[in-house]
Amino acid sequence: DTGVSQDPRHKITKRGQNVTFRCDPISEHNRLYWYRQTLGQGPEFLTYFQNEAQLEKSRLLSDRFSAERPKGSFSTLEIQRTEQGDSAMYLCASSLKGPRRGTQYFGPGTRLLVL
Amino acid sequence: LAKTTQPISMDSYEGQEVNITCSHNNIATNDYITWYQQFPSQGPRFIIQGYKTKVTNEVASLFIPADRKSSTLSLPRVSLSDTAVYYCLVGVSEDSNYQLIWGAGTKLIIKP
Repeated sequence: DTGVSQDPRHKITKRGQNVTFRCDPISEHNRLYWYRQTLGQGPEFLTYFQNEAQLEKSRLLSDRFSAERPKGSFSTLEIQRTEQGDSAMYLCASSLKGPRRGTQYFGPGTRLLVL
Repeated sequence: LAKTTQPISMDSYEGQEVNITCSHNNIATNDYITWYQQFPSQGPRFIIQGYKTKVTNEVASLFIPADRKSSTLSLPRVSLSDTAVYYCLVGVSEDSNYQLIWGAGTKLIIKP
């Protein structure tokens, strides 16, 4: 257990429905990241927060995806009008700001299946 | 952003030492090198991080030559539970956005 939790762990939904995932980072970590991972591939960066500010968003992220971190603590990732191609593992990670920002601590992930 | 290249897969046997080498030709001066381990249906787990020469912790060693264009993760005396995917990443300096580029990793299979 890294100290990063994600909820739910699994989600099955029908195409066209909206889904929301939650991530609770390690409490003293001011940076939070969302990734998506499909089978056989490495994690793909989606977006990144420093405290409550969303500082970077992948160009691959369509307008159907939105993320928030309202108080600089937990974060939510919402996917609107889900498509079958959204089926993947969604990973959250947190880290401290500093020269060793490579040390991201990952949660267990939320596995999404869109039918 | 530096991209890394590593073997797609490797096999070894229990009790052996395993070395996985990663190439990162365009590593920047301030980049650190980080290795992660991932088991199926779990998030990646931090293994080790280094900047130059050699770093050792309780699970692995990381060797980085002087030019820093490659690095080698060394796992001593592997066991079946070390079967996993291993990712090599290089980071960027403190003041820039930190978008890690993850490759497909190296799938390590340990045989009895």
